[in-house]
Amino acid sequence: DAGITQSPRHKVTETGTPVTLRCHQTENHRYMYWYRQDPGHGLRLIHYSYGVKDTDKGEVSDGYSVSRSKTEDFLLTLESATSSQTSVYFCAISERYEQYFGPGTRLTVT
Amino acid sequence: GQQVMQIPQYQHVQEGEDFTTYCNSSTTLSNIQWYKQRPGGHPVFLIQLVKSGEVKKQKRLTFQFGEAKKNSSLHITATQTTDVGTYFCAVNSGNTPLVFGKGTRLSVIA
Repeated sequence: DAGITQSPRHKVTETGTPVTLRCHQTENHRYMYWYRQDPGHGLRLIHYSYGVKDTDKGEVSDGYSVSRSKTEDFLLTLESATSSQTSVYFCAISERYEQYFGPGTRLTVT
Repeated sequence: GQQVMQIPQYQHVQEGEDFTTYCNSSTTLSNIQWYKQRPGGHPVFLIQLVKSGEVKKQKRLTFQFGEAKKNSSLHITATQTTDVGTYFCAVNSGNTPLVFGKGTRLSVIA
């Protein structure tokens, strides 16, 4: 695998609470991505980063924010979690064209 | 934004039968990538196609990019139980982020 870890791997939280998911890479790749995966929707891009402090919105960015203060870490924050944000979240990295995915975080918002 | 249709959504085959999944776009693509996700796992990059009419093979897997660069197919010859999973195509146009199809879930009956 491409040296990507995600934490936590599983989380259950209540509606209205803030949640931060972490993606860590050891490959020093420039590009990092956050996706969510839901049945019937495939993988949808939330936010991505093309360098330290350089981020942009993806297809489903509402309700999410990101930060990248170091090359190796990309954080995804749900400011006030809602039940519609229950999903599996994948981080990915790339340097050229192919993307390498982390193991995923299963988030349940009750 | 960029959209891509992937069919079929599900496919059940007997072990040894062939399998094909198709990816179609209404616009001309710069390239197309294919990923495989095993049940409970994360997406794994398989291949990228760039040239019009390109055909690439990986053992029993054959990937094809249409002449107009608007469609692609993945064909598996003589499926095995190890082929089980969801196959995604992913596309972009120019420098836009990848957009994933919704995937084809393959089940193989031994």
